[in-house]
Amino acid sequence: DADVTQTPRNRITKTGKRIMLECSQTKGHDRMYWYRQDPGLGLRLIYYSFDVKDINKGEISDGYSVSRQAQAKFSLSLESAIPNQTALYFCATSDSSLAGHEQFFGPGTRLTVL
Amino acid sequence: DQQVKQNSPSLSVQEGRISILNCDYTNSMFDYFLWYKKYPAEGPTFLISISSIKDKNEDGRFTVFLNKSAKHLSLHIVPSQPGDSAVYFCAASYSGGYQKVTFGTGTKLQVIP
Repeated sequence: DADVTQTPRNRITKTGKRIMLECSQTKGHDRMYWYRQDPGLGLRLIYYSFDVKDINKGEISDGYSVSRQAQAKFSLSLESAIPNQTALYFCATSDSSLAGHEQFFGPGTRLTVL
Repeated sequence: DQQVKQNSPSLSVQEGRISILNCDYTNSMFDYFLWYKKYPAEGPTFLISISSIKDKNEDGRFTVFLNKSAKHLSLHIVPSQPGDSAVYFCAASYSGGYQKVTFGTGTKLQVIP
């Protein structure tokens, strides 16, 4: 079983619609992250959460919001989707007790906004 | 402002030869560097890392070299195998950054059989 899961894996939606992407993890990690990947731009951080009560904006948070419902669950919402939010979205986790800075990624959600 | 740069979008190498992927960074606060590997339709997976107190770290066929004065790191894969064909992301973080990582734009490696 995958340690970090994302749902849905693919989604096509229309401009103006509200969309929620969900992430769950069974690794027991306290830290969770949302990234988007665009061609030629690599992975850019949208939001990150160090525990259930600690949520922080990343470098490209405009147009997005998040909710950390539990230590294992971190969801990303697009309140009113726009075409330039078409991208590949990744959730990741890390453990603050580990010395390294390794993050563990989910399989991604491909979102298309028409 | 791209703090972590991978200037080569793609690289082709013959099977059995060495692959060298390069990465430059601008932020002097970075003290931990990582390489991730990504196959299509999958999330990135951690490959190898290096702390700024070292200049080399080796794990099997993979070696990462760090040149702090030049703010440059490289990943060497020897020998290259077709299964190494993937996108490789360089990433950097710093101890005060709570494991927040800045990624480069990626280099697509193709290993030709």
